[in-house]
Parts: sequence; C-alpha cells; structure tokens
Amino acid sequence: DQQVKQNSPSLSVQEGRISILNCDYTNSMFDYFLWYKKYPAEGPTFLISISSIKDKNEDGRFTVFLNKSAKHLSLHIVPSQPGDSAVYFCAASDYNNDMRFGAGTRLTVKP
Amino acid sequence: ETGVTQSPTHLIKTRGQQVTLRCSSQSGHNTVSWYQQALGQGPQFIFQYYREEENGRGNFPPRFSGLQFPNYSSELNVNALELDDSALYLCASSLPGRETQYFGPGTRLLVL
Repeated sequence: DQQVKQNSPSLSVQEGRISILNCDYTNSMFDYFLWYKKYPAEGPTFLISISSIKDKNEDGRFTVFLNKSAKHLSLHIVPSQPGDSAVYFCAASDYNNDMRFGAGTRLTVKP
Repeated sequence: ETGVTQSPTHLIKTRGQQVTLRCSSQSGHNTVSWYQQALGQGPQFIFQYYREEENGRGNFPPRFSGLQFPNYSSELNVNALELDDSALYLCASSLPGRETQYFGPGTRLLVL
C-alpha cells in the first residue's frame, strides 16, 4: 500500500531558480516527515525534517512545508544548483519510527 | 566517527539459495533498520532492531530475518531466495526514538 506518494518521477529546473518537490501521504498517524537525497551508488542522505507540530522548517537553501489538513508536504530548494541533481525521497514515520518512503523524484538542475 | 558501512557491495545468487548481508552501524547508534529498494521504487521497511531485539517489522515474510550483535552491527538473512528479492538492500542506523536514520551505501542483490 502506497502510504507516501511522490507523483512526479522527475523534475528539471534551471540553475538559480526554485525547485519544488511534492509529496502526499494518506496515513493520519504519521507525525514526522523527512526528505532524503540519493546520489547513484550511495545510500540516501538525510536532508531536512519536520514534525507535525510545525508547518515550516528551514535550513539554508532548503525549506520543507507541511500542510496537515491536505496531508501534503513539499521541499523548496532556492536557489537550485547543479550539485542538487539527485533523486529526492520523501519519508514519513509514526511513533514506532517505522519509516515509509515515496518512490522518489529525480531532480535535474541545468547550468 | 565512522559512517554506516555494508558488505558486500554486490552479490549474485540463484533462486532457492540463502544470503546474509552485513551492516556496521554509525558509532554510538544502537538502533538499526533494514530496507529493500526495488528498481524505481523507494526503500521499503523490512524490520528494525534495538538492543539485539526486533523492534518493528514491515510487510515481509518470515524468510527475511535479522540479527543485531552486542557491538550493534547487524545481519539480514534471506532464505529460499526468489527472483523478486533482487533489489538494493539498505541498512540505516540511529539512536533510539524519533532520531534521524543514517543510511549505508547498500548491497545490490541479484537473484537468477
């Protein structure tokens, strides 16, 4: 069952512009959300997280927004850089810390 | 501080065989989780170990089993391999509770 969905398999943006990656979830018990970035031949690398008591968390160029009523979160990267090109996974967990991942979105940032 | 390491990096097995994959946790982390990532999909949770005991399990059959050792390293064992078991297997270590999980590079398993 797909409890976490990333409906865009790929996204291409120009260097310097904003990248917006989206994620939807169905399980209302999820209360902690994370974004991971994955380069080829490497494991996923933690990027940023947000708990359900917040609606925004910012870390440098990366901001995660959470809309609990819509069960939707998004990752904004501003400004996008070619080194940001990777597959981005959204993940959600409940109190058991059992993480569910989306299928990923491949971001390509063009110079 | 060393990161999460996994061995081997690649493995080829035939259907019906058994396989053991290994993971060394990041220093100080006593919780390890295992994931299966099929091609084009996100990681799927297999199970988690905390202090050498299984602490949660995803929707995987009993032929997927694990061990965690006193030094917090761990193993994933898969018996009676099937073709669909071909995937990237990731382990992730963390502190207990709602702490960030740090992933190893994975072991790519091919079942023929």
